[in-house]
Amino acid sequence: DQQVKQNSPSLSVQEGRISILNCDYTNSMFDYFLWYKKYPAEGPTFLISISSIKDKNEDGRFTVFLNKSAKHLSLHIVPSQPGDSAVYFCAGHTDKLIFGTGTRLQVFP
Amino acid sequence: EAQVTQNPRYLITVTGKKLTVTCSQNMNHEYMSWYRQDPGLGLRQIYYSMNVEVTDKGDVPEGYKVSRKEKRNFPLILESPSPNQTSLYFCASRRGSGPETQYFGPGTRLLVL
Repeated sequence: DQQVKQNSPSLSVQEGRISILNCDYTNSMFDYFLWYKKYPAEGPTFLISISSIKDKNEDGRFTVFLNKSAKHLSLHIVPSQPGDSAVYFCAGHTDKLIFGTGTRLQVFP
Repeated sequence: EAQVTQNPRYLITVTGKKLTVTCSQNMNHEYMSWYRQDPGLGLRQIYYSMNVEVTDKGDVPEGYKVSRKEKRNFPLILESPSPNQTSLYFCASRRGSGPETQYFGPGTRLLVL
């Protein structure tokens, strides 16, 4: 039972443009959603989170949007930079973190 | 520097040969977890520990054991590894079971022949 789904395994975006990574979930009990970024040969690192009572959270170039009625969240990166090339995992939190399958973002010059 | 360390980083072994992957954190966190990452399956929790001597199964615990004798250490034990345990393993820690930032180790890539 995949409670958190990232249906796009990969995404390619030109430098300077917007990257939009999507995540769908089924568990209505999630109280927070988090995004983690992972570079090759490193562990995931925390990027940004959003409470389930909010619909938007912004941190610099990164904004996460939550649509509870659609059980959907998205991460927007504007402007995209080559250093953003990584695998991005979304996760839902109850008493533990449930991760999605990840989306590989490639930002090309 | 706040960090989670894992050893070894890479390991090749044979079926049935017991192995231990160590994990240590220096942040005095109570909550620690082990995950495995597999293509198309994302990060799945194997075991977690809410404090010393308190451990519980995650989503994919079969074939694994853990122990938490000290707050900083949370080793992962494979008593009789099998090829389907070939994977990338991550240890993680966070302050509690809330949505606080979770810190991950650098990963251990295991190949079981």
